[in-house]
Amino acid sequence: GENVEQHPSTLSVQEGDSAVIKCTYSDSASNYFPWYKQELGKRPQLIIDIRSNVGEKKDQRIAVTLNKTAKHFSLHITETQPEDSAVYFCAASRESGGGADGLTFGKGTHLIIQP
Amino acid sequence: DVKVTQSSRYLVKRTGEKVFLECVQDMDHENMFWYRQDPGLGLRLIYFSYDVKMKEKGDIPEGYSVSREKKERFSLILESASTNQTSMYLCASSIISYEQYFGPGTRLTVT
Repeated sequence: GENVEQHPSTLSVQEGDSAVIKCTYSDSASNYFPWYKQELGKRPQLIIDIRSNVGEKKDQRIAVTLNKTAKHFSLHITETQPEDSAVYFCAASRESGGGADGLTFGKGTHLIIQP
Repeated sequence: DVKVTQSSRYLVKRTGEKVFLECVQDMDHENMFWYRQDPGLGLRLIYFSYDVKMKEKGDIPEGYSVSREKKERFSLILESASTNQTSMYLCASSIISYEQYFGPGTRLTVT
């Protein structure tokens, strides 16, 4: 089955700096890569996703890059703000048979924004 | 807004009890999922379902079963609860090939 590795487990950055979280996956058939943000005591929420036919995707201060050959993808947050403090999870799955399989998640990165 | 609800936020059960966790979504989503979340381990997929009466095993199905009799409802069943099933349980739903929407979670403690 799929295995997703995520690094680092904790990341502390100064407010206004950039943050980068990296993930690798093992199953070359995976073709859908979402990123979820989970604030303390709340449910995970999708912040951005990318499919394997695209190398990069941006949404305001957030971007995701995908390298299919190396089987890794990364989340980039620019101009970090205090509200970016949360746990971030990467995930991977195959989309097959007209439906999405369940997601395989990384273990999470606790992002701390220092004022 | 998509709404995914779970029957309990907190639940305490004794070892050996049969436990039912209920999840309901109101957006006519085809897919529903059960995950457990443990510190340092992320979210792990237990079971999922594409349609009524359909179920597929995820990565950690041992000790669990599921039921989907109606499209909007997906139940997770612990046949005989054990202490190693103490965890946060998260339900999610999605339209085919789109993002998964999570419920608020049920924190289950088995004593």
